[in-house]
Amino acid sequence: AQSVSQHNHHVILSEAASLELGCNYSYGGTVNLFWYVQYPGQHLQLLLKYFSGDPLVKGIKGFEAEFIKSKFSFNLRKPSVQWSDTAEYFCAVKRGGSQGNLIFGKGTKLSVKP
Amino acid sequence: DTAVSQTPKYLVTQMGNDKSIKCEQNLGHDTMYWYKQDSKKFLKIMFSYNNKELIINETVPNRFSPKSPDKAHLNLHINSLELGDSAVYFCASSPMGTRGRETQYFGPGTRLLVL
Repeated sequence: AQSVSQHNHHVILSEAASLELGCNYSYGGTVNLFWYVQYPGQHLQLLLKYFSGDPLVKGIKGFEAEFIKSKFSFNLRKPSVQWSDTAEYFCAVKRGGSQGNLIFGKGTKLSVKP
Repeated sequence: DTAVSQTPKYLVTQMGNDKSIKCEQNLGHDTMYWYKQDSKKFLKIMFSYNNKELIINETVPNRFSPKSPDKAHLNLHINSLELGDSAVYFCASSPMGTRGRETQYFGPGTRLLVL
């Protein structure tokens, strides 16, 4: 069965530190990839998505992610985090060419210390 | 002018009761979804409706019944609530995309607590 792994359960950083959150998926075919963010007490918001083309995608709030097909990975990065980036981050994968499920990883909680 | 809205935001109820959560989207999307987020923040799809027709029904107890009166609404009715139903339920919607590229937009969530 298709699965999405986010290896870091909780990441704690100081402001201005660089961020990289890992995401790996298990499906070998064409995939569409998403990162969502959930700020405390709020709903999920789309940060960025990858469908095809340039494997480095830029999203909102200075986030970017790189799709590496050979590693089945779609890691999220930000060069310098802010306290306001404290949130839960979810990677999600959907098989290309289908109306199938959006499969979420278990999320990574990011805490940024001021 | 909220894109995907849910009511109520909070729901506290006793075991054995029946309750409903409503979802409405004003984005003109064709597909709507219900997700359950458990206490460990894990999000899992429950149902998906496309133009009022059920297209995904994951392994969910039949106490949960989605109802779609029109393509802008997808309500979730839960019978005989159990303690394990306590969670945050998110509604989402997406346009009719191609090749699985449709982006899902989420509502604010309904936090259900069963006592």
